[in-house]
Amino acid sequence: EPEVTQTPSHQVTQMGQEVILRCVPISNHLYFYWYRQILGQKVEFLVSFYNNEISEKSEIFDDQFSVERPDGSNFTLKIRSTKLEDSAMYFCASIIGKGMNTEAFFGQGTRLTVV
Amino acid sequence: AQTVTQSQPEMSVQEAETVTLSCTYDTSESDYYLFWYKQPPSRQMILVIRQEAYKQQNATENRFSVNFQKAAKSFSLKISDSQLGDAAMYFCAYRTYNNNDMRFGAGTRLTVKP
Repeated sequence: EPEVTQTPSHQVTQMGQEVILRCVPISNHLYFYWYRQILGQKVEFLVSFYNNEISEKSEIFDDQFSVERPDGSNFTLKIRSTKLEDSAMYFCASIIGKGMNTEAFFGQGTRLTVV
Repeated sequence: AQTVTQSQPEMSVQEAETVTLSCTYDTSESDYYLFWYKQPPSRQMILVIRQEAYKQQNATENRFSVNFQKAAKSFSLKISDSQLGDAAMYFCAYRTYNNNDMRFGAGTRLTVKP
């Protein structure tokens, strides 16, 4: 069964460093998302991406964040100059297209720890 | 902006009993979709059940069913014959048709007691 894969599963970084979280969405999917979940808290929308550009972003997704689909398969989230409060689980999701049967498939998440 | 509210941070149920998780949402859209996702300790989000807003009939998926009240903007999840494996965080989610933006509620942690 096709699945969304995320690497690494756990990333530890020093405050102020840049990190890149990687996601490989399901190959024929067209819409891509990043969400984050601070431990024990709600799942928060960060950004959606379609047709090689950001289609929507939340207030959390400030200039510190960027997304890219560099090679047609990977979908990356870059966090520049990480802060302690960026520590969270980051989930990537993809959807094949619009409409009801377009279930969002989630990756297993990347746990980011900023120390 | 669409908001999703889950007013029950924690719920518990006895094995084999029935439990209902509440969800309300706020939207000005007429076409949208509602979902319940389960997040077990493994942390991966798993789709449990989904509902199209234009359908009056409540969705059912084996032991899982919803009570969708469009006018009240309510979308509760009923789990019948609860099993130990149902223990997880449950997230209610809303997604518009047009922009595929999906928003989640804060989650309800369900404990199943043997």
